[in-house]
Amino acid sequence: EAGVTQSPTHLIKTRGQQATLRCSPISGHTSVYWYQQALGLGLQFLLWYDEGEERNRGNFPPRFSGRQFPNYSSELNVNALELEDSALYLCASSLISNEKLFFGSGTQLSVL
Amino acid sequence: SQQGEEDPQALSIQEGENATMNCSYKTSINNLQWYRQNSGRGLVHLILIRSNEREKHSGRLRVTLDTSKKSSSLLITASRAADTASYFCATADRGSTLGRLYFGRGTQLTVWP
Repeated sequence: EAGVTQSPTHLIKTRGQQATLRCSPISGHTSVYWYQQALGLGLQFLLWYDEGEERNRGNFPPRFSGRQFPNYSSELNVNALELEDSALYLCASSLISNEKLFFGSGTQLSVL
Repeated sequence: SQQGEEDPQALSIQEGENATMNCSYKTSINNLQWYRQNSGRGLVHLILIRSNEREKHSGRLRVTLDTSKKSSSLLITASRAADTASYFCATADRGSTLGRLYFGRGTQLTVWP
């Protein structure tokens, strides 16, 4: 069974640009979560999607947005990139909300 | 902050020794989970303990939960070099923040051969 897949692995952008990160959950999982992990920090909750709807978002500005497609894959968009957006972005999926999250390997976003 | 706090921040031991990591949190929870992260990659779920449980085992892992003290501990017995990783606790709060886990900053465990 394939795990959670994320693309791209690395992404280099400059300030003010937009970044798009993609995630495919484990087959059968309808919940997709996005977390940001800045260097040396714990994971910060970004967004939760379930059954195609945004169910919850963390304390991030509106330029962080996303969506979930009918096949439950998801996309995270970050507009007007700032230097402090440089981080590892992790996507996870689960069968039951808040229980046993399966994580992808992440997208390392670098903003120059 | 509602995040859990792991203690210690870093732990260095020899192979064969036991490793104990602690986690404290601030709110009422539904469950507490432990995850492992190797070299800044994705996290791997280790174990989940519910608020009405006090102790749980999985292989060489033993987790305890004390809801009166709002704390948990993760014990790895007979550690191996392959256990070298960062370990995070994550809490699922009782309440309306569904879908959101609160992660601590992690304990960096190094196991020397």
